[in-house]
Amino acid sequence: ETGVTQTPRHLVMGMTNKKSLKCEQHLGHNAMYWYKQSAKKPLELMFVYNFKEQTENNSVPSRFSPECPNSSHLFLHLHTLQPEDSALYLCASSPEALATVYEQYFGPGTRLTVT
Amino acid sequence: AQSVTQLDSHVSVSEGTPVLLRCNYSSSYSPSLFWYVQHPNKGLQLLLKYTSAATLVKGINGFEAEFKKSETSFHLTKPSAHMSDAAEYFCVVSDLGNNDMRFGAGTRLTVKP
Repeated sequence: ETGVTQTPRHLVMGMTNKKSLKCEQHLGHNAMYWYKQSAKKPLELMFVYNFKEQTENNSVPSRFSPECPNSSHLFLHLHTLQPEDSALYLCASSPEALATVYEQYFGPGTRLTVT
Repeated sequence: AQSVTQLDSHVSVSEGTPVLLRCNYSSSYSPSLFWYVQHPNKGLQLLLKYTSAATLVKGINGFEAEFKKSETSFHLTKPSAHMSDAAEYFCVVSDLGNNDMRFGAGTRLTVKP
């Protein structure tokens, strides 16, 4: 499989559950990102990893916990979420973190619903 | 810090007519500018990008955009809309000075038969 893949594509979880989102990129990139996309709001950057090191954390609540074991894989661990956390969570990768000349390649997203 | 404004939240055109999606930006340094498209339940796909080379940029699927520094604009155009162009379009600015990408709120393009 090529590009950026995300699993699961859809997830419904209760507020007391613990779940994880997975992202994998097959592009040989060194940077990976998590974004949150809510209805009628601009895309929100959550976390940035460059060469497995976290370089950005945009004031994301601690109920979201990222993990980057290597440059190809990125996880988002979820626990005790709130209904307002329901959104499309997008993973992206690029050759380097936030280098302005590089575009980002996006996965299809995980549609998360918190009940 | 840089910012981007997409002037229309929704644009509706008839199939075969031109498309214009407007984007204005602000930047302290030399910006890179991007247009992405998102079809329903899909991730974002790059249409085209400007990175200080030619000001008229051609992208995929017949889209193009022109960087106009004097107007701080990067409008997306296509001569003839196709039904498959119906999607959400995002303008993105990235500032050389602070390595940060800012996404616009998006423009939803509807194409009528």
